[in-house]
Amino acid sequence: EVQLVESGGGLVQPGGSLRLSCAASGFTFSSYWMHWVRQAPGKGLVWVSRINSDVYSTTYADSVKGRFTISRDNAKNTLYLQMNSLRAEDTAVYYCARGGVSAALDSWGQGTLVTVSS
Amino acid sequence: EIVLTQSPGTLSLSPGERATLSCRASQSVSSSYLAWYQQKPGQAPRLLIYGASSRATGIPDRFSGSGSGTDFTLTISRLEPEDFAVYYCQQYGSSLLIFGGGTKVEIK
Repeated sequence: EVQLVESGGGLVQPGGSLRLSCAASGFTFSSYWMHWVRQAPGKGLVWVSRINSDVYSTTYADSVKGRFTISRDNAKNTLYLQMNSLRAEDTAVYYCARGGVSAALDSWGQGTLVTVSS
Repeated sequence: EIVLTQSPGTLSLSPGERATLSCRASQSVSSSYLAWYQQKPGQAPRLLIYGASSRATGIPDRFSGSGSGTDFTLTISRLEPEDFAVYYCQQYGSSLLIFGGGTKVEIK
């Protein structure tokens, strides 16, 4: 069974940093693209970033470019999101998701809440 | 940048009725990279449809997707109580993923 478990969320002050982790199991992690998607309270889904399976190519939404860094450790089956210079508008539940056929996100974690507030 | 507009914002229907949800792209997109998701309160999204019309694993056949170019549709043939949720379309192109704003299907 595919499992994705996020951790690392919490309360952080504006301008601060946080690193999210996503532990993967039940599939060959190194074979899949992985994504981060966020959802502000009461709002819709917003794609944040993705990383390729093996060449470590990355892409970011304009709203986080230059502040967030996606990475992965295939030996540890773990996806990361380093978030710097956090703003109030980054407050959201952050989901990790697996990229499947036709670039659809076929498995999702339960999410971790990041709150940026003073 | 492509924008996906979903309509209506809210659909009020009764169990057993047919639901038709629209996703319109601001420019033509590849149907190969158009997906639909369902999200219930407090839960992560679940993939329903990929490639515009292919059902994901375990998705009942009352869910169907269609469309091409700029207009895509998710149809739920007969609403079951567990189908009342928010639905999102999503498109992949130029290394970016874009989500629509969502359609809430609520019980009338």
